Amino acid sequence: DSGVTQTPKHLITATGQRVTLRCSPRSGDLSVYWYQQSLDQGLQFLIQYYNGEERAKGNILERFSAQQFPDLHSELNLSSLELGDSALYFCASSVDAGGYGYTFGSGTRLTVV
Amino acid sequence: AQSVAQPEDQVNVAEGNPLTVKCTYSVSGNPYLFWYVQYPNRGLQFLLKYITGDNLVKGSYGFEAEFNKSQTSFHLKKPSALVSDSALYFCAVRDNTDKLIFGTGTRLQVFP
Repeated sequence: DSGVTQTPKHLITATGQRVTLRCSPRSGDLSVYWYQQSLDQGLQFLIQYYNGEERAKGNILERFSAQQFPDLHSELNLSSLELGDSALYFCASSVDAGGYGYTFGSGTRLTVV
Repeated sequence: AQSVAQPEDQVNVAEGNPLTVKCTYSVSGNPYLFWYVQYPNRGLQFLLKYITGDNLVKGSYGFEAEFNKSQTSFHLKKPSALVSDSALYFCAVRDNTDKLIFGTGTRLQVFP
């Protein structure tokens, strides 16, 4: 157990729907990062939060949004889902925002049908 | 922009033989480099990192990596491969906004 908890582990939903992925960072970690892993695109950075504030944004679609709450857990919201959104979504956390290394969760596998 | 390249999609090696998984990087300034491993249906696990100091970095599970500034490389190595080392390996570099940019991954297959 890495200490980073992601729920749910698996999610199957239909096109056009909206889902929420949840991440609880390792105790003491202030930064949360979201990555999307698909077969043809590798690991793509989506967004980073540090202590409740958005710190960096990557290739995140407008249909996707995220936030980090006061207790430091984070949620990634995916709406108007398309077949191409099917992927593994990983959350990672680190104690600071310095990018000295992350601890990853085990991911949420999203399947859009 | 900072980036890393992993030129091999797959590396095959016999158990007991040495293994190398290649990574080259492109950064402005001093590079912060990382290796992660991903086992099936699992998240990425940290193996090792280079921030500064000795060019040979030792990490988890007997892995090490050699930082070579002149060749802009950070190859992952292990003297004697195990079947259990079979997994997907990612090289990563910290970019100028302090997030990690990952390579496309190299699948290591160790044959008994």
